Amino acid sequence: DAGVIQSPRHEVTEMGQEVTLRCKPISGHNSLFWYRQTMMRGLELLIYFNNNVPIDDSGMPEDRFSAKMPNASFSTLKIQPSEPRDSAVYFCASRLGLKDSNQPQHFGDGTRLSIL
Amino acid sequence: GDSVTQMEGPVTLSEEAFLTINCTYTATGYPSLFWYVQYPGEGLQLLLKATKADDKGSNKGFEATYRKETTSFHLEKGSVQVSDSAVYFCAPPLEYGNKLVFGAGTILRVKS
Repeated sequence: DAGVIQSPRHEVTEMGQEVTLRCKPISGHNSLFWYRQTMMRGLELLIYFNNNVPIDDSGMPEDRFSAKMPNASFSTLKIQPSEPRDSAVYFCASRLGLKDSNQPQHFGDGTRLSIL
Repeated sequence: GDSVTQMEGPVTLSEEAFLTINCTYTATGYPSLFWYVQYPGEGLQLLLKATKADDKGSNKGFEATYRKETTSFHLEKGSVQVSDSAVYFCAPPLEYGNKLVFGAGTILRVKS
């Protein structure tokens, strides 16, 4: 079975450029999560969607970050303009259900982002 | 709101040593609990879960028992291997409005 698919796996770009990270959740999962992981802050939840609708985006660090989920099989996280402090590994995860606490999250392999 | 407290690391053990990583939680109900593992350069993977009080989750030699009386879900393994070196996360379920999804994680280093 295909897991959560993220692209690209690695991204290196110069500050000020627009960065778009992509995620394809597991088919049938109706919750999707974007995380950021750094040594300093650990794993931070940025935003999550339920049935393609953003439920809580309070973890998004600032207006330069935006996320969309136009359909059940695709989501993007965009940073515009990017800054060196945005360098991190970004993970996407999906889950069946939202309030069903018996279901675990399934993670992609992450996108390692480096802003020069 | 609900929260989880996880043992700080790093934890350094010799091969074949016994492992315990503590995790305690506060919750208004009795939610499912999970342990995830993250190997270097990879995303988090579900290691085991317990769906109700007194339930024991187990996988790959790891075990954790959901203890209602002590609100704990400690991870244990009788004999660790070098390949178990990773970061381990104890996680409560995500509920609406609860931003705390994962604890800080515990780094485990196993030396041969």
